[in-house]
Amino acid sequence: KAGVTQTPRYLIKTRGQQVTLSCSPISGHRSVSWYQQTPGQGLQFLFEYFSETQRNKGNFPGRFSGRQFSNSRSEMNVSTLELGDSALYLCASSLAATGGMSSYNSPLHFGNGTRLTVT
Amino acid sequence: AQSVTQLDSQVPVFEEAPVELRCNYSSSVSVYLFWYVQYPNQGLQLLLKYLSGSTLVKGINGFEAEFNKSQTSFHLRKPSVHISDTAEYFCAVSFYNQGGKLIFGQGTELSVKP
Repeated sequence: KAGVTQTPRYLIKTRGQQVTLSCSPISGHRSVSWYQQTPGQGLQFLFEYFSETQRNKGNFPGRFSGRQFSNSRSEMNVSTLELGDSALYLCASSLAATGGMSSYNSPLHFGNGTRLTVT
Repeated sequence: AQSVTQLDSQVPVFEEAPVELRCNYSSSVSVYLFWYVQYPNQGLQLLLKYLSGSTLVKGINGFEAEFNKSQTSFHLRKPSVHISDTAEYFCAVSFYNQGGKLIFGQGTELSVKP
């Protein structure tokens, strides 16, 4: 079974630009979560999507947005990039069925991330 | 507010020695606990998880962890480490019905020396 796939692996953008990152979850997984990893702040939760709906959101400004498609693939968008947005962005998927034990009995499987550099 | 504290940012250890990576959490509600490992330029790989039941949890690569509710701890142990265990280790918690949202500790860099 293929793992979580994130594209691209590396990205260099200029301050003020916008960027879109893509994530393909493991086949059959319906939940996709996004995390930002930086040396200073560590791993921080951005948001989670399930069945094309945002189910949970972290404390990030509105410049960070996402969406999920009917095939569970997800994209994350960052507008008006700032130098501080330079980070490794990780996507994770899980089975996370609605309600019941499996929504939290299903661990996250992470992709290898997209490393974004803002200059 | 919920939080996770990994007490050591770096742990150097010699090959074949035992190791313990410490993790404490703060929460007013029941939590689910995880340990992840991250190798350079890669994502996170799940080592083990505690959801309920036995407080001693065994994971992959010979790692195990013990959940201690009174101490609010979830320390990771391995009786004999290998060079290939050199990586960064993250402790994380999640909560009922918020499975996709994990709160991570700051990470512990395990360095295994020959």
